[in-house]
Amino acid sequence: GAGVSQSPRYKVAKRGQDVALRCDPISGHVSLFWYQQALGQGPEFLTYFQNEAQLDKSGLPSDRFFAERPEGSVSTLKIQRTQQEDSAVYLCASSLLVLTQETQYFGPGTRLLVL
Amino acid sequence: AQSVTQLDSQVPVFEEAPVELRCNYSSSVSVYLFWYVQYPNQGLQLLLKYLSGSTLVKGINGFEAEFNKSQTSFHLRKPSVHISDTAEYFCAVSETQKLVFGKGTKLTVNP
Repeated sequence: GAGVSQSPRYKVAKRGQDVALRCDPISGHVSLFWYQQALGQGPEFLTYFQNEAQLDKSGLPSDRFFAERPEGSVSTLKIQRTQQEDSAVYLCASSLLVLTQETQYFGPGTRLLVL
Repeated sequence: AQSVTQLDSQVPVFEEAPVELRCNYSSSVSVYLFWYVQYPNQGLQLLLKYLSGSTLVKGINGFEAEFNKSQTSFHLRKPSVHISDTAEYFCAVSETQKLVFGKGTKLTVNP
């Protein structure tokens, strides 16, 4: 599989639970992005990594959201004390280089439902 | 900050008809523009992108888009659609490293 993979594909959480969403980017891709897509909306930027460095986290909606990419490959998005408004599809994307015009390749997403 | 407006939330068309999905952006600097397609329960797939040069960009699956700087538009077109083109289409502009997306246009192709 040469594409971006994400797990789990679906996650149901009770309000207040912590969740962890995993992203495996395309091998060798330097840049990694997380987006949140609410129902009926376009994806919205959450955070960006260049290798292991988190260079932009301006889109994270609250301090309950935390992302890491410790070895510059796999990334985890963690949401603490989930709320109903966190229900959305979380998309991960990677790109080969750090150029603005680089194509971002998206994974299938993790659909999170908070009850 | 840059923004993207997709003027139509839903576009129904008949098979083999032409289609245009409209996209306008706001930016005060040079932009890179993208169209992505999202099939049900799948991630986004790049259709085409404009970086520079020719304003007419050709993409996959017979789609093309025209960059119009004076009208700040990047409309997507296909001369003859198929049932399999039914999907949601997102226009996006690149801002530093991240993409800023429109709200999407749901294209439904009917037999």
